This record gives sequence, C-alpha cells and structure tokens, in this order.
Amino acid sequence: GENVEQHPSTLSVQEGDSAVIKCTYSDSASNYFPWYKQELGKRPQLIIDIRSNVGEKKDQRIAVTLNKTAKHFSLHITETQPEDSAVYFCAASIAAGNQFYFGTGTSLTVIP
Amino acid sequence: DAGVTQSPTHLIKTRGQHVTLRCSPISGHKSVSWYQQVLGQGPQFIFQYYEKEERGRGNFPDRFSARQFPNYSSELNVNALLLGDSALYLCASSYPTGRNTEAFFGQGTRLTVV
Repeated sequence: GENVEQHPSTLSVQEGDSAVIKCTYSDSASNYFPWYKQELGKRPQLIIDIRSNVGEKKDQRIAVTLNKTAKHFSLHITETQPEDSAVYFCAASIAAGNQFYFGTGTSLTVIP
Repeated sequence: DAGVTQSPTHLIKTRGQHVTLRCSPISGHKSVSWYQQVLGQGPQFIFQYYEKEERGRGNFPDRFSARQFPNYSSELNVNALLLGDSALYLCASSYPTGRNTEAFFGQGTRLTVV
C-alpha cells in the first residue's frame, strides 16, 4: 500500500519567515495530494491540494509543489503569522474516492 | 449548511466491549470515509463507503466493520475493544462523484478504552 513520509516533525520559525514541509510517497499511482491543518482539539481542515497533472499551485501565502518523478511534494508558507501555528498533515490518494494516506504530521510554531 | 457531524463526541469503554460510532455527512455527499488518529500521529484510513458499498479498506483487523445507510449516514463498529483502539475516530465526506475531491472532516469521536 501507499506510504507517506513527512519531515520535519516539528518546526519553529520567527513570525514573517517562511516555513517548508516536505513529504514523499511510494506509490506512483497516487494522483491527488491534499494538505490539512489541524489545530489542537479541532478537525483537520483542507488548506490546499494539488493533482498529479499540475506541478505547482498557490493560494495567497500558501503554495504546494509536486515532483512526480521524485515522488515528493512540499508545502510552502510565506510571511508566517502566529495563527499559522498548528499541526500540518500531507496526504496522498491512489484510487478514486477519498482513501487518503496521511503523513505523520508537522507541528509548526510561529514565534511572535 | 451543517457540516459533517459525528456522535458521540467522547466515549469511554472497557476492554472487550463493543462500540458503535456514527457519522452524518454533508447533505448531498454520498462518500464517507473513516480514519483512526492516534495521539501524535496522522489519521489512518479504515474504510471508505460510496453509494452504500464498501469501496476501500485499510490495514485494520476484522474487529472493525462499517456500513452506510440509504440516507448516506454511516456507522463504524469495533468489537472486542483493545487498549490500543483508544484514538480519535474521524469521519470524512465528499461530493457525489466519489473521485479525488475535497474531503470534509467531522469533529471526531474521542474513544478511550480502559
């Protein structure tokens, strides 16, 4: 089955700096890669996603890049703010339907 | 518009008991998936149902089962509970096509097995 690895497990940045989280996946059949943000005690919420036919996608301060050949994708957050502090999960999906395989999460702390 | 709702929000069970968790998807969503999130880890895929049929199963023992009803709500059942089943159980629903589209998560059911 699909195996998703995520690094780093923890990340601290100064407010205004950029944060980068990286994920790799194992199954070349994966074709959809969402990123979820989960605040303490709350449900995961989708912040951005990318499909295998696209190399990069941007939404304001958040961007995701995908390298299908290397089987890795990354989340980039620019101009970080304290409210960006949360746990971020990457995921990969192989088949039709929402059968997501998640990474182990990155706990991001933005220091004011 | 109501989001994905799960019940109960918290539950304490004893080892060996059985538990049923419930999920109501967003209106119009026909695909429901279940995930187990152990503290400090990412959610792990358990089941996906679409149009009342099982469309996928993760690497979980047969003690775990699920079903989807005609109104697209879903139940997750776990038999012979073990301490290791303690986790947050998340339900996610998505649009009717069942393809790779945005999944909306419920707030989860926190299960504690003692």
